Amino acid sequence: DAGVTQSPTHLIKTRGQQVTLRCSPKSGHDTVSWYQQALGQGPQFIFQYYEEEERQRGNFPDRFSGHQFPNYSSELNVNALLLGDSALYLCASSWGGSFLNEQFFGPGTRLTVL
Amino acid sequence: GQNIDQPTEMTATEGAIVQINCTYQTSGFNGLFWYQQHAGEAPTFLSYNVLDGLEEKGRFSSFLSRSKGYSYLLLKELQMKDSASYLCASEGFQKLVFGTGTRLLVSP
Repeated sequence: DAGVTQSPTHLIKTRGQQVTLRCSPKSGHDTVSWYQQALGQGPQFIFQYYEEEERQRGNFPDRFSGHQFPNYSSELNVNALLLGDSALYLCASSWGGSFLNEQFFGPGTRLTVL
Repeated sequence: GQNIDQPTEMTATEGAIVQINCTYQTSGFNGLFWYQQHAGEAPTFLSYNVLDGLEEKGRFSSFLSRSKGYSYLLLKELQMKDSASYLCASEGFQKLVFGTGTRLLVSP
């Protein structure tokens, strides 16, 4: 059973560009949450997708958007990249749209914005 | 709003017991979570508390006091592999907020 997978592993972009990150949840999971983790900080909640809809959103601008597909996989899109967007982007899956059901994290995508 | 505080760093020796504290202020509080994160790796779930009291899971226990906005993670019989960051996270209104993490260094 594959756990949570994310692609790509690493990515380098320049300011102003756009990026798409992908996440496949653990088998049997239907909920995907995205987090941004800067170096030395805890993960910051971006948003959660359940039943193909964005359920909740953290304090992130509209440049951050996402999508969930019928197979429960998800994408995170970031437009007009800023230097401050450089971070590890983590995807976590669970089931039933609840954080009380254990979340499993993927290995993350390391984004560097130059 | 939501705010979480936990110590930045702690040190302990192999075989000892360590307690990592976490205080939180969370609107619509629904539960408190602890995650372990080794350097360069993704966080892994350790425990969660919804009601007041102690939850025990092997060498790890977590405590919650909702009235005090306080939790702790207790690690017993420390092993070198327990050197990691320990993240406290609270859920409120279906948003999960993490603290900055406590880096635990276990020495021989």
